[in-house]
Amino acid sequence: DVKVTQSSRYLVKRTGEKVFLECVQDMDHENMFWYRQDPGLGLRLIYFSYDVKMKEKGDIPEGYSVSREKKERFSLILESASTNQTSMYLCASSRGGQQETQYFGPGTRLLVL
Amino acid sequence: AQRVTQPEKLLSVFKGAPVELKCNYSYSGSPELFWYVQYSRQRLQLLLRHISRESIKGFTADLNKGETSFHLKKPFAQEEDSAMYYCALDNAGGTSYGKLTFGQGTILTVHP
Repeated sequence: DVKVTQSSRYLVKRTGEKVFLECVQDMDHENMFWYRQDPGLGLRLIYFSYDVKMKEKGDIPEGYSVSREKKERFSLILESASTNQTSMYLCASSRGGQQETQYFGPGTRLLVL
Repeated sequence: AQRVTQPEKLLSVFKGAPVELKCNYSYSGSPELFWYVQYSRQRLQLLLRHISRESIKGFTADLNKGETSFHLKKPFAQEEDSAMYYCALDNAGGTSYGKLTFGQGTILTVHP
């Protein structure tokens, strides 16, 4: 059974703080993803990684960076948090290739004050 | 650019009634389409994919390339079907395999 875990369920940070969101998967998946989920906007891809140390920008990468030093771990970094980054953040992983199922973590609800 | 549109933010039906959640897409290649579902207090999970042509929990979805649609249907809705539903398109090609474009989502409420 695939397990994707995220380091925090809820997080409250102040504007300007550096924020780290961690995601770990235990199924040796090649691909990992970070999305943000906002009402009325659906899921929007922030960044994507298809291998260790490899990353690709998604649709809304501005204000974010990522790190993938190990295959099982994919970190999302908010260099200087802003109030418009208040959102639900979802991590997902999948095997490499086409039509593969993405397995999602429980989400981190981030509030930036 | 790929785009997925779910025109209904909210959809309400009564138990036992048919339900159809609409999904339209724009994509220049051969589409690979999915429906994901998120039940209350659960994580987002795959419901079905068009390539499998399977029925999950009584739901089916047919790819209509002429109308560029992938509507999700169930003949008799149940209260436990109440959830958020997302339609998604796989951006196939090169190192972007597996990257999905999601629609805005539709919240389905099935009333008793």
